Amino acid sequence: ETAVFQTPNYHVTQVGNEVSFNCKQTLGHDTMYWYKQDSKKLLKIMFSYNNKQLIVNETVPRRFSPQSSDKAHLNLRIKSVEPEDSAVYLCASSYGLGQDTQYFGPGTRLLVL
Amino acid sequence: QQKVQQSPESLSVPEGGMASLNCTSSDRNFQYFWWYRQHSGEGPKALMSIFSDGDKKEGRFTAHLNKASLHVSLHIRDSQPSDSALYFCAASATSSGQKLVFGQGTILKVYL
Repeated sequence: ETAVFQTPNYHVTQVGNEVSFNCKQTLGHDTMYWYKQDSKKLLKIMFSYNNKQLIVNETVPRRFSPQSSDKAHLNLRIKSVEPEDSAVYLCASSYGLGQDTQYFGPGTRLLVL
Repeated sequence: QQKVQQSPESLSVPEGGMASLNCTSSDRNFQYFWWYRQHSGEGPKALMSIFSDGDKKEGRFTAHLNKASLHVSLHIRDSQPSDSALYFCAASATSSGQKLVFGQGTILKVYL
């Protein structure tokens, strides 16, 4: 049963446009994450937030910016998309910062033309 | 270089057979390991975690961890066609703030 929701499922855009992806979790978790899964299925963490505070900020281009309004929501904005941004963006959540299992959403597939 | 390496890249087993997947870390800071499974068009789903040396069994799935060699394995007995998916090993360190590092994945195909 899905408890991490992502919208949209799929988005096609042109180079240089701005896009925004939404993520909501109904698990009552304190920590949320954004991962990028590329065309080879490699998964890499981009950001993590705990109680609305940025905890992990991997080396990603500055055009990527996460936005957290509350513990249950974590959005991702990409200003001026590039072709290499084409990927699946996966949102996840976990109870805390300990060794808690992360639960993933279905992903948002982005195609940049 | 990938800090978490998985083998084989792909694996085919008959229905009812045993599937064995391997994962090795090159970073001794990694102390916590998970196995995730991802079906096509879905997000990864955690199968099990293992933090202590030895075996951990959950239903048809058994994970084995050897911290000295930084090796973790997953064995799936009585494999079913629904087990066909991409399997990831993931690891984290105590001080990483729950940052998971994923291996490159193993594609498992269970054939009839």
